[in-house]
Amino acid sequence: SSELTQDPAVSVALGQTVRITCQGDSLRTYYASWYQQKPGQAPVLVIYGKNNRPSGIPDRFSGSTSGNTASLTIAGAQAEDEADYYCNSRDSSGNHLSVFGGGTKLTVL
Amino acid sequence: QVQLQESGPGLVKPSQTLSLTCTVSGGSISSVGYYWTWIRQHPGKGLEWIGYIYYSGSTFYNPSLKSRVTISVDTSKNHFSLKLSSVTAADTAVYYCARDPGGIAAAGEYYFDYWGPGTLVTVSS
Repeated sequence: SSELTQDPAVSVALGQTVRITCQGDSLRTYYASWYQQKPGQAPVLVIYGKNNRPSGIPDRFSGSTSGNTASLTIAGAQAEDEADYYCNSRDSSGNHLSVFGGGTKLTVL
Repeated sequence: QVQLQESGPGLVKPSQTLSLTCTVSGGSISSVGYYWTWIRQHPGKGLEWIGYIYYSGSTFYNPSLKSRVTISVDTSKNHFSLKLSSVTAADTAVYYCARDPGGIAAAGEYYFDYWGPGTLVTVSS
């Protein structure tokens, strides 16, 4: 399958922990990468590989994978974390194709 | 610090060819192991991978767009380009270019570490 499935919307209370998930067969072979996108801005890489954060990304962001499901966890969500989050990985066909999940709108209450 | 910048017409007529360029600064487009990528986002929708060109020149395209897409590199200008033919209103979107260091990353790791700011292309007569 070349699809990655995300919940359309998730909410979290300020300061609480939230997990955003991404399901797909390709995640058994490739790691997911995660992107944060705020309105009117380009996406920003927040997690890649097993659990790597680019420079400048707060350590409250972490990633994990279990079977065909990748998760992005935000521990102690802040108001500025309200955004759309997208997962991405290579397609499991082995043809070097790439695929994005449909995105999750995170609301911080 | 690597930077990417998209450029090209913001308005394209139906049935014509959309042409965009992504200029890379702060690094060489010929560097080993990078996939130079185009991604688009329809208004109010999610991200869609269009395709990429590997540093070796190999190209890979989204099957849904493959018949209309060409991605190429000009190493002398340190930029890569997107051509999308026979456009319709459904191709109206913000187009992003991005870099994927997958060829030099750890096994199974592919990700877009640098993005351009994006450019809106509207298809309309």
